Formats: sequence, C-alpha cells, structure tokens
Amino acid sequence: DTAVSQTPKYLVTQMGNDKSIKCEQNLGHDTMYWYKQDSKKFLKIMFSYNNKELIINETVPNRFSPKSPDKAHLNLHINSLELGDSAVYFCASSPRQGNSPLHFGNGTRLTVT
Amino acid sequence: GESVGLHLPTLSVQEGDNSIINCAYSNSASDYFIWYKQESGKGPQFIIDIRSNMDKRQGQRVTVLLNKTVKHLSLQIAATQPGDSAVYFCAETPNSSNTGKLIFGQGTTLQVKP
Repeated sequence: DTAVSQTPKYLVTQMGNDKSIKCEQNLGHDTMYWYKQDSKKFLKIMFSYNNKELIINETVPNRFSPKSPDKAHLNLHINSLELGDSAVYFCASSPRQGNSPLHFGNGTRLTVT
Repeated sequence: GESVGLHLPTLSVQEGDNSIINCAYSNSASDYFIWYKQESGKGPQFIIDIRSNMDKRQGQRVTVLLNKTVKHLSLQIAATQPGDSAVYFCAETPNSSNTGKLIFGQGTTLQVKP
C-alpha cells in the first residue's frame, strides 16, 4: 500500500552511462516532483509536473529528462552520467499545485563511479 | 534571494524532555510553511503545516509557531521519544509561486538520549 514508490532503491553505475529512475503514486494526486538531496542533506527541487504538464524546471542540466506518461507516473532519465550526479533522488506528489504537503517516496541512491 | 535556514545543525535532548527546533526564513511574502521529519534511509515525512494567516498550530505532540514579524518558525515536540530521532526540515512556499515549489532549509538532526 506504498503511496509513492520509486525504483530502484540503489543504483550504481559508471560515468557516461544512461539510467532511469521510475516513480509511481497511488494517491490520486495531480502533481508530482523530483527532488535531489546532496551529501549534506540539502533538498532541492528539480522538476514538477501537474497532470502530465511540466510546471517547474529548476535550471537542471538537459542531461536530465523527466517524463510523465500519466498523472500517476513521473520517471527521470539521466544521460551521460557524471560524478556530480551522485545523490539521493526523491520523487514526491501533492494533491494539487500550491500550498499542500508533498508526500515523498523513499528515495533512489545514485552512485556514479 | 529565497532561503530557509535553521539555527542549529544538531540538537540533543533527554528522553521525555520537550524539544524546540528553530527555523529562520528570508522571504516575507512566503505564505505556507511545513515541517518534515526524515529518518535514515527514508524520504521526508510530513509532520505539520501552517499558513501565514495563523501563528500557531497544534498536532499530536507537536506544535508549530510562526512569527512573521521576525520571520521565524519553530517546531516544538512534547515528551520527546527515541523514535523522534531524525533530521527535521522546515520548508516554505513563496507567495509568488503557485507551483507547489517548496524551498527547504538545511535540516536539524535531533538526537534523543535515553
């Protein structure tokens, strides 16, 4: 009965590879997000989608491409991975855009070697 | 610019005592604030929120206080338990944004001593 689930939980890969992280929410929410948490625990928004439409793109390199096939799914594809991409990536959802709590998944720890 | 900060990186309390975690924000136009708890290996978990038209809100064992005059937010946890040990984040939504964007502070680690 996991509300926001993302896979995989751990991802170890080499520089230059392309990888994807998948996210699904079963809460019926309209809005989904990707956040990045660095080694100092700082959480920063990357993208948000509302009903499959891109709302926020926070100056993320275009090697990162989110895709939302429907409002329950928001996947993140990363091309040409770099060492600096190593972080924990969190998917989240909220009932609507604006002034409502985000529900987070348990994260995907990406390690680029 | 927008920033949300916390006064202390680590707070250590005795089990049973009350905990107070503080947060300062810089955007006076922010109108929505949230506290999250993050345990090791998990995602942030919603604790309590408050809108800018309120100055206090209570939940189960938690109270959030908002002082807009000095742009300060605090989370009070009553009778702190070992299970409260985690990293706590405050977050704000700027009034100028209706996108759901949350700006997070840097987190305070709460350690509960038995």
